[in-house]
Amino acid sequence: GESVGLHLPTLSVQEGDNSIINCAYSNSASDYFIWYKQESGKGPQFIIDIRSNMDKRQGQRVTVLLNKTVKHLSLQIAATQPGDSAVYFCAENSGGSNYKLTFGKGTLLTVNP
Amino acid sequence: KAGVTQTPRYLIKTRGQQVTLSCSPISGHRSVSWYQQTPGQGLQFLFEYFSETQRNKGNFPGRFSGRQFSNSRSEMNVSTLELGDSALYLCASSLGGFRMNTEAFFGQGTRLTVV
Repeated sequence: GESVGLHLPTLSVQEGDNSIINCAYSNSASDYFIWYKQESGKGPQFIIDIRSNMDKRQGQRVTVLLNKTVKHLSLQIAATQPGDSAVYFCAENSGGSNYKLTFGKGTLLTVNP
Repeated sequence: KAGVTQTPRYLIKTRGQQVTLSCSPISGHRSVSWYQQTPGQGLQFLFEYFSETQRNKGNFPGRFSGRQFSNSRSEMNVSTLELGDSALYLCASSLGGFRMNTEAFFGQGTRLTVV
């Protein structure tokens, strides 16, 4: 039969704007979260991580916010550039110290010059 | 510092055959995990190895297996290939010590096509 692909949420922004990508995670026991960027034909690229004892972490041009009450993560990208165009995934480590990442379905970010 | 290396990058196999994929983790990393990525199911966890032991396994049939060597390199094997096994297979490495959550870095993946 016909296969149905994942319907990716999409976000389109203008170059220079700030982007916010949201993610709902599933396991309230997850204690570690990672954001990845995946460009076409490449493997996921680590962007930033956050542990469950934090609610905010900043990197270069990126900030991750964690709200454990509602099981929600967000990735903020400041001054978005065309090179930021990609699919962004959040991942939760649901295996404790034994790595078992559960990925969200991803968000396609398109940056218009 | 070299990243995660997966070989081969591309493979075409026939239904019923078997295939072995290889992953060399970042130097010093002892945890290697494998994921399957398809348009329909997204990224799904296959299994994770640490110090040659499988510590965690996803919900895949027994046709999917793996192993890790003493130098932390890992292989995964898929036997009796089905058309639905066509996917991008990704390997991730991390330090992976006990009760340590650290960054997991991915390789470029192996694109497997089953015909």
